[in-house]
Amino acid sequence: ETGVTQSPTHLIKTRGQQVTLRCSSQSGHNTVSWYQQALGQGPQFIFQYYREEENGRGNFPPRFSGLQFPNYSSELNVNALELDDSALYLCASSQDGANYGYTFGSGTRLTVV
Amino acid sequence: DQQVKQNSPSLSVQEGRISILNCDYTNSMFDYFLWYKKYPAEGPTFLISISSIKDKNEDGRFTVFLNKSAKHLSLHIVPSQPGDSAVYFCAAYDASKIIFGSGTRLSIRP
Repeated sequence: ETGVTQSPTHLIKTRGQQVTLRCSSQSGHNTVSWYQQALGQGPQFIFQYYREEENGRGNFPPRFSGLQFPNYSSELNVNALELDDSALYLCASSQDGANYGYTFGSGTRLTVV
Repeated sequence: DQQVKQNSPSLSVQEGRISILNCDYTNSMFDYFLWYKKYPAEGPTFLISISSIKDKNEDGRFTVFLNKSAKHLSLHIVPSQPGDSAVYFCAAYDASKIIFGSGTRLSIRP
């Protein structure tokens, strides 16, 4: 399987709800990162997982959490949604040793109302 | 505080001419820089990179220049083509993460 796929492509949630976004990475890509891209801004690093362990985190509160599974899939969970969480969420994966050679998915557009 | 800055939100260039996209950074410890291109409804795709030990890297129509003393890099596209119309992100690799600028929307006009 090639490429990085994300689901769903669009999602509307209500403030206070919880959401789970999913990502399926390329086979052999043991590193997965999640980014948040607000309107008019560049992607902001949320966190990174390597072989199912978190190994880096950006300036996001604990209500942003993640999981990585042995089958190269991963999840981003956001609890207690706020209006400012409305953004495009991007998943990116890379092979061991190719730290900057990330392949990005097309993203999930989350709207919080 | 933005560590990677793209001060021009948009740029319009005539087809066939040179497009020059600029980027500034604040952290002198960055040792690897990247440019990404993003079309609507797609994720960013890697375009070209440069190590801090170099001052120029070229790949076909794309050339990236790095001026470490000025903490400035630029992307040159020659000649510009209609398919180059996209948002371009300058970025720096820092440990486990990529730090992106806010992007420049490049429009190539006929």
